Amino acid sequence: DVKVTQSSRYLVKRTGEKVFLECVQDMDHENMFWYRQDPGLGLRLIYFSYDVKMKEKGDIPEGYSVSREKKERFSLILESASTNQTSMYLCASSHGGQGPPQHFGDGTRLSIL
Amino acid sequence: GEDVEQSLFLSVREGDSSVINCTYTDSSSTYLYWYKQEPGAGLQLLTYIFSNMDMKQDQRLTVLLNKKDKHLSLRIADTQTGDSAIYFCAESISDSWGKLQFGAGTQVVVTP
Repeated sequence: DVKVTQSSRYLVKRTGEKVFLECVQDMDHENMFWYRQDPGLGLRLIYFSYDVKMKEKGDIPEGYSVSREKKERFSLILESASTNQTSMYLCASSHGGQGPPQHFGDGTRLSIL
Repeated sequence: GEDVEQSLFLSVREGDSSVINCTYTDSSSTYLYWYKQEPGAGLQLLTYIFSNMDMKQDQRLTVLLNKKDKHLSLRIADTQTGDSAIYFCAESISDSWGKLQFGAGTQVVVTP
């Protein structure tokens, strides 16, 4: 089975901190994605990566950056956390190409105080 | 951007069939998906259908695809309390790096 592991289930940080969310997949997937999920807004794509060191902005990249130094790991970085970044963050991965299913981690519920 | 639309809520009695509906927008979508999200968890891939199919059955799940109307449905037979969850419909986006467009999700509540 595909395993996508997010480093923390729950995280509490303070405004202005630099926050790192880590995601690791074990299926040699080319594509990796970061979403945030908020009530009433569904899933919104923050960033994605289709190869090592490659990244593309999604629909809401402002206030975030990403890093993909190794194929299996995709990190989401909140450069200076703000309260409006309190949310559920979901990581996903998929094989390359158009249309293979994405497999999700269990999510990180991040609270910014 | 384009929208994938789903109804927000469905209540169903235990043992009945549930039908969750979705309309999508990209006629060139290659795949269409159904995901399930239980409280506090990530999204679990339930099933997906290739666009050249019109039906797919997998145990209690039946997916119907009407390409002409861009309509996708998920039928759950003999609905159980464990089926209570949010169900997301998604379509593959043509000419993208594996990106998907998700609907807002349908909250399914199963009552005894």
